[in-house]
Amino acid sequence: QLVLTQSPSASASLGASVKLTCTLNSYYINHAIAWHQQQPQKAPRFLMRVNNDGSHSKGAGIPDRFSGSSSGAERYLFISSLQSADEADYYCQTWDTGFQLFGGGTKVTVL
Amino acid sequence: EVQLVESGGGLVQPGRSLRLSCSASGFQVGDYGMSWVRQASGSGLEWVGLIRSRPSGGTTDYAASVKGRFTISRDDFNNVAYLQMNSLTLEDTAMYYCTRSLTVAGAVVAFWGQGTLVTVSS
Repeated sequence: QLVLTQSPSASASLGASVKLTCTLNSYYINHAIAWHQQQPQKAPRFLMRVNNDGSHSKGAGIPDRFSGSSSGAERYLFISSLQSADEADYYCQTWDTGFQLFGGGTKVTVL
Repeated sequence: EVQLVESGGGLVQPGRSLRLSCSASGFQVGDYGMSWVRQASGSGLEWVGLIRSRPSGGTTDYAASVKGRFTISRDDFNNVAYLQMNSLTLEDTAMYYCTRSLTVAGAVVAFWGQGTLVTVSS
């Protein structure tokens, strides 16, 4: 069964960096994922796709401060030079034949 | 520019039906996979179901929680995707988002609508 695991929360200071992790269960270690950002009271927004080799492709207009990488069953989202607007929930998404799945989300707080 | 505008949400009694619409612009709904994702208040995102692009066969798949009750379809002429929801329960109360895939055959959700709220209550 496909499972995506995210830490419930993360925090960092304004201007600092934060790394979010999305973990696939081992059977799906080669799966790509997508990251989505949901600011308070807004619809989610696609950030990027991250492949198992660490390559990533971002959505239109996503700043360079956002990047992705991969290691084993873990997929990462890096946010540098944190801004107040980055305070949001971040969800990873993956898929297999016949279904899609979202992780539980990580709430990022900018201190 | 890709735009997705949902409509059709509202207050509905348990056991009744509701149909949500997703009007698309900037692309043809038949050319991409269209999914519905919902979010209960204070909760995370839950995939509801999808309809594949015409090149990918146009087939549908659904989450176990809605299979047999919800149906996704599209009207290529009017460029609209639909989510028909039958036998609604209290647990179906959520914001419903229409989404579009990144590529013709891909499953990455790349575009989101603003959502339409469905409240199931007696």
